[in-house]
Amino acid sequence: SQTIHQWPATLVQPVGSPLSLECTVEGTSNPNLYWYRQAAGRGLQLLFYSVGIGQISSEVPQNLSASRPQDRQFILSSKKLLLSDSGFYLCAWSVLGYEQFFGPGTRLTVL
Amino acid sequence: ELKVEQNPLFLSMQEGKNYTIYCNYSTTSDRLYWYRQDPGKSLESLFVLLSNGAVKQEGRLMASLDTKARLSTLHITAAVHDLSATYFCAVDINRDDKIIFGKGTRLHILP
Repeated sequence: SQTIHQWPATLVQPVGSPLSLECTVEGTSNPNLYWYRQAAGRGLQLLFYSVGIGQISSEVPQNLSASRPQDRQFILSSKKLLLSDSGFYLCAWSVLGYEQFFGPGTRLTVL
Repeated sequence: ELKVEQNPLFLSMQEGKNYTIYCNYSTTSDRLYWYRQDPGKSLESLFVLLSNGAVKQEGRLMASLDTKARLSTLHITAAVHDLSATYFCAVDINRDDKIIFGKGTRLHILP
């Protein structure tokens, strides 16, 4: 069966510090991978998605970036965090763009 | 651009009552998903609706899809407190790799 992991689970970072969040998927090959952000009490905002190694589509221009160095690994990064980057970051996978399955999430607080 | 609208956005109801959450979307699509999110948790897949007239049921929840009306409903029968959560619908953009989420309906069931 398929499993999706995210780490860390929680993170508190100062403004201006770098960020690296990791997502890995087990049990499937060549998945589509997605990064979403959810602000407190709000809906989901799609940040990036990837249909293959090295292929990244950006949905929202901002100070975040994403990379996919391996088939089942998706990384979200920032060089300098802003207060507005606080939120709940969710990674998801799908096969051929169909139903998405979500990881447990990373709660990021920027102080 | 595909727009997905849920209503109501917030619903407080008594246990034992029935109610329906609506999900309207603006562009042709024949794939729609319902997710549940408990406070502080990730999203859990509830239903996958893949064709016009599709109906799925799980316990006290029943979801349906009318692609001609561009409408999906999530019906709650004899609500219980455990169903308190936020429910999201998401619509598949045909021939794309993304799904578009509604803003979510926060359901609060009073014991």
